[in-house]
Parts: sequence; structure tokens; C-alpha cells
Amino acid sequence: DVKVTQSSRYLVKRTGEKVFLECVQDMDHENMFWYRQDPGLGLRLIYFSYDVKMKEKGDIPEGYSVSREKKERFSLILESASTNQTSMYLCASSSYGDTQYFGPGTRLTVL
Amino acid sequence: AQSVSQHNHHVILSEAASLELGCNYSYGGTVNLFWYVQYPGQHLQLLLKYFSGDPLVKGIKGFEAEFIKSKFSFNLRKPSVQWSDTAEYFCAVSNDYKLSFGAGTTVTVRA
Repeated sequence: DVKVTQSSRYLVKRTGEKVFLECVQDMDHENMFWYRQDPGLGLRLIYFSYDVKMKEKGDIPEGYSVSREKKERFSLILESASTNQTSMYLCASSSYGDTQYFGPGTRLTVL
Repeated sequence: AQSVSQHNHHVILSEAASLELGCNYSYGGTVNLFWYVQYPGQHLQLLLKYFSGDPLVKGIKGFEAEFIKSKFSFNLRKPSVQWSDTAEYFCAVSNDYKLSFGAGTTVTVRA
């Protein structure tokens, strides 16, 4: 079974803090993704990576950055957290063109 | 950019009733189509997918979906729902390795 793990299920941070969300996959997938999930909006793509050190912006990259130094690990960084970044963050991985497999999500609250 | 529209925000039905969730997309080229499900407290998981071939695809737990190319639709069906089908359902479309999601439909099944 594909396994995608995320470092935290719940996280509470203060406005202005730097936040790191970590994601690890164990299936040697080339592609990794970060989404945020908000009620009534579905999932929106923040960033994705198709190879180590490669990244592309998704639909809503503003206020976020990413890092992929190793194939199995993809990090999402909030440089200066704001209250409008309170959300559920989902990581996913896939082989090219195939099904995406999702992690359990991190519910981030920014106070 | 492609967009995905799910017709219903919230559906409430009784056990043994039939379920149909609508999904339409806007992209005119070749696409891959997915339905994902998120049960309460669980991570997003694949219900079924269509890449090519028979437009009627069967997934897990008795779900099926029909791809109608002329209508840009990929509707999800289940003939007889159970209480355990209570979940949020997402339609998604990709034409490369990125997914575009619909806003989701919450399905509540009453015992």
C-alpha cells in the first residue's frame, strides 16, 4: 500500500510565525503535491514538484514556498503565517499521470 | 485552465435509496477522471477512475461512474446506499499530472 505521511495532524501557530509542514511518501513517486482544503471550495493546488529540487506553482501559491531536497520528502513553508492561512493542508504523491495518493492532512490554525 | 463543477453541495437520503452525484468539467482535450471520497475523520481516498476504454467504470463499495464525453460529464452512482456511505465526495479531472477538484458534495445517509 502507498503510504503518505504528514508530520502533524493538528498545528496551532501565531500570526507572523514561520511554519513548516512536512510530507513523506514511501512509493518512490516522482510527483508530490500540496493542497489546501476549505469548505465549499474543494481542494486547491498550492505547489507541486515533479522531481527533486524541481517545483511549480499551483493555483494559489501566494504566501507559500516549498522545498524538495529528497525524492520522498516535500515540505510546505509558510514564511509568515496569517489568519487566512488557517485551513486543512493535504499532501499527495503520484507517478506521472497516475492516481494521486493523499496523506491524512494537517489542520493548521493561525491565531 | 480546466474547471470542475459538482452539482450538489449537500445531499441527504435514506438507506437503500439510490445516489447520483453530478460532475461536469470544462476542458476539451483528453482527460483522466476521478472520484475521491473522504469519510469522517479519514484521509481522501480513491473511489474510482477513468483513463480510457469502457466509459462505465466500477469502483470500490459498489460505486460506479459513467463518462459521457459529449456532455463533459462523469457522474457517480450507487444503486442502494448504506449509512457508512456518509462522506464527502470529490470529482477531479487531470490532463497531465495536475488535478483540478470540484467543490465537493457532502452526502448524509440516514439510517
